[in-house]
Amino acid sequence: QLQLQESGPGVVKPSETLSLTCTVSGDSISSSSYYWGWIRQPPGKGLEWIGSMYYSGSTYYNPSLKSRVTISVDTSKNQFSLKLSSVTAADMAVYYCGRQKTDSSWYIFYWGQGTLVTVSS
Amino acid sequence: SYELTQPPSVSVSPGQTASITCSGDKLGDKFVSWYQQKPGQSPVLVIFQDSKRPSGIPERFSASNSGNTATLTMSGTQAMDEADYYCQAWDSSTVVFGGGTKLTVL
Repeated sequence: QLQLQESGPGVVKPSETLSLTCTVSGDSISSSSYYWGWIRQPPGKGLEWIGSMYYSGSTYYNPSLKSRVTISVDTSKNQFSLKLSSVTAADMAVYYCGRQKTDSSWYIFYWGQGTLVTVSS
Repeated sequence: SYELTQPPSVSVSPGQTASITCSGDKLGDKFVSWYQQKPGQSPVLVIFQDSKRPSGIPERFSASNSGNTATLTMSGTQAMDEADYYCQAWDSSTVVFGGGTKLTVL
């Protein structure tokens, strides 16, 4: 059974960089046919896709966040990571990692439990 | 940028049929997935590729997609179906989510 677990600081100061890691267990992050993605959900609001990455390095980003987002993968640790720079209060959210099918549907079957990131000085 | 529009809320009586719509330009040309999210929990995939149910999802969940509208239908709605529902599609190399619909079973 595939499992994903987000980890990282729960509090980030304004203007600093948010860094989260998703650890994958139960399958190799180098599996073909899947991208590995980040999705966030501000308190009381809907889901927002941040971006996705293939183990080889190919990435897709949400155009509205692209200038501040970097997603990277560490196949040796079976992990992938998110960096979001210059955070503001608007970036406060529950951040989820997930595995996406690489067909034209891009559905997310496996989700992490989510981690709340608060932006506060 | 591509947008998916859902009604903010839908109400249904127990045992009745609930329908949640998701609208977008030429949405029928894209694959639509649906997620159920209960408070404090991660989303759960209930429909993928327009109308396919993952293993473990009850048969009362069905969906269709045509023209500009995708529809998630829950027949014989149960109290446990009360949740937020999100549609999702892929357009121009981006994943797009609808704004979500709160389904109330009362």
